[in-house]
Amino acid sequence: GDSVTQMEGPVTLSEEAFLTINCTYTATGYPSLFWYVQYPGEGLQLLLKATKADDKGSNKGFEATYRKETTSFHLEKGSVQVSDSAVYFCALSDNSGGSNYKLTFGKGTLLTVNP
Amino acid sequence: KAGVTQTPRYLIKTRGQQVTLSCSPISGHRSVSWYQQTPGQGLQFLFEYFSETQRNKGNFPGRFSGRQFSNSRSEMNVSTLELGDSALYLCASSLLGAGNTIYFGEGSWLTVV
Repeated sequence: GDSVTQMEGPVTLSEEAFLTINCTYTATGYPSLFWYVQYPGEGLQLLLKATKADDKGSNKGFEATYRKETTSFHLEKGSVQVSDSAVYFCALSDNSGGSNYKLTFGKGTLLTVNP
Repeated sequence: KAGVTQTPRYLIKTRGQQVTLSCSPISGHRSVSWYQQTPGQGLQFLFEYFSETQRNKGNFPGRFSGRQFSNSRSEMNVSTLELGDSALYLCASSLLGAGNTIYFGEGSWLTVV
């Protein structure tokens, strides 16, 4: 079945440091890929997405590129801020049969950014 | 426009009781899905509804059930609560079709004592 493996945390960085959170996936078809972020005590917010190979999703300075050849979707940000402290989830939706209803998530990576 | 709305946000139940959680999707979204989030198991898919029909169910016991109404609002029910059912229950909605984003509500925090 589908699966997502992402870098285990926690990750602790200083403000303005470079961030990479690795994510690889296994899927039978051609999935869409997502990064969601969860702030303390809140639900999930979509950070960015990519729906086909070589697409780059970007938002709020975060970027991730859909790499079919390496089955990866690594999250990067050039300069993190304290406000980026949160849990980040990589996820895929299996589009086989045209359905997008189910997300398979990685276990999440806790990011803490210190001033 | 309004996002996915879940009620109640917090609740405490006793073992053996049952609970019903409610979800209002984003206007125009007819696909509604539910997820359970726990520290140990992470985020797990419970089930998904479209046009009042359950289209798929995750690997959860029959104590977990749900339904969707004609206005796309959804409820999930957990009967005979166990301590292990303590979790954040997240509802999500989306338009139908590959690549469409699934939007999440803020969740209902259930504590079973």
